Amino acid sequence: KAGVTQTPRYLIKTRGQQVTLSCSPISGHRSVSWYQQTPGQGLQFLFEYFSETQRNKGNFPGRFSGRQFSNSRSEMNVSTLELGDSALYLCASRDRGRIDSYEQYFGPGTRLTVT
Amino acid sequence: EDKVVQSPLSLVVHEGDTVTLNCSYEVTNFRSLLWYKQEKKAPTFLFMLTSSGIEKKSGRLSSILDKKELFSILNITATQTGDSAVYLCAVEPSWGYGGSQGNLIFGKGTKLSVKP
Repeated sequence: KAGVTQTPRYLIKTRGQQVTLSCSPISGHRSVSWYQQTPGQGLQFLFEYFSETQRNKGNFPGRFSGRQFSNSRSEMNVSTLELGDSALYLCASRDRGRIDSYEQYFGPGTRLTVT
Repeated sequence: EDKVVQSPLSLVVHEGDTVTLNCSYEVTNFRSLLWYKQEKKAPTFLFMLTSSGIEKKSGRLSSILDKKELFSILNITATQTGDSAVYLCAVEPSWGYGGSQGNLIFGKGTKLSVKP
């Protein structure tokens, strides 16, 4: 099975712009979670989508939003970028249909640099 | 506030040494604890623990959970240079009825360096 894929892998934006990141989960996985990783804060949960619905959301401002499509692919959008949004954005998928397996599998991430 | 604390933050050992990484947690509704290895980009899954006292093993790596004392350890025996990485511990909380909240709460990680 192919793993979790994320596009683009690298991105440079300027303050005030917006950005959209994409994540394709492992085939058959219907849950996608997004995380932000920075040297200071580590890995922090942004939100989870399951069956096109946001199930949970972390403590991030409303500039961070997401959505999920019927094929389980997910996008994350950040509007009005700030310098502090520079980070590695990771998505993870899992098969919520399997009662005995809840581990999340991570994609390679998108490295976002805001200048 | 839910939190996960890992220690030590960094560790330097020589090939062949045995290391123990620690993870303690305070989470309102615990569902599972997971260990990941992160070398360059994507954290790769190692173990998921849900029950106390049951050791999980994979080759030279093993892990165990103590739900009474709220901690877990990850052991690596006969370390190799390829074990050099950041090891992340994460706890998955549940809703009151036991279902997954869908998020993972991560510790800051332990950076392991294995010298030849």
